[in-house]
Amino acid sequence: GQQLNQSPQSMFIQEGEDVSMNCTSSSIFNTWLWYKQDPGEGPVLLIALYKAGELTSNGRLTAQFGTTRKDSFLNISASIPSDVGIYFCAGQSRGSGNTGKLIFGQGTTLQVKP
Amino acid sequence: EAQVTQNPRYLITVTGKKLTVTCSQNMNHEYMSWYRQDPGLGLRQIYYSMNVEVTDKGDVPEGYKVSRKEKRNFPLILESPSPNQTSLYFCASIKVVSPSGFTDTQYFGPGTRLTVL
Repeated sequence: GQQLNQSPQSMFIQEGEDVSMNCTSSSIFNTWLWYKQDPGEGPVLLIALYKAGELTSNGRLTAQFGTTRKDSFLNISASIPSDVGIYFCAGQSRGSGNTGKLIFGQGTTLQVKP
Repeated sequence: EAQVTQNPRYLITVTGKKLTVTCSQNMNHEYMSWYRQDPGLGLRQIYYSMNVEVTDKGDVPEGYKVSRKEKRNFPLILESPSPNQTSLYFCASIKVVSPSGFTDTQYFGPGTRLTVL
């Protein structure tokens, strides 16, 4: 089946640093989604991307839908301690027979040192 | 308040004893889905439902059943649980604007931690 490769697996950074993570796929997606999961909670949607090349910001977060439709990245600027958590990318394709499938990456665990 | 509720939140059971994890949403969303989360594997989709009486398999449906008899509820059924189904389970609810168009109006439940001995 379709797979997403998310990297890096984990990051340990200093408060104030910028963070970048990305996801790549072997197949095309029509929607890219980025989520954050806090310990003991369900994932929360951060940014949704619907068009190839789209660049969208949400506060200190910026995400882009790759032009090939096979990749996406998420940047966090000026990280703060509450950015700690697991970040997931997810892709949805609308190909025949799988319109409801949402494929998740393995996650990037972010730790921020004050 | 918009929310997705799951019950139970924690469950320890034994191999072969049928169980049901309930999921309910109060937002009238068409789309609901179940995922399991395991270390290093991210979230893997078990089943999803595009609307009432419309369900389909995700990537890891073996050993699970679902039903969607009404819009707000999407229970996950394990007819004969096995230890490899020990996992953290999440239900999600998403508003769609077309038969396949996810919007950013979406919520995940708080999770159900299942242990099968």
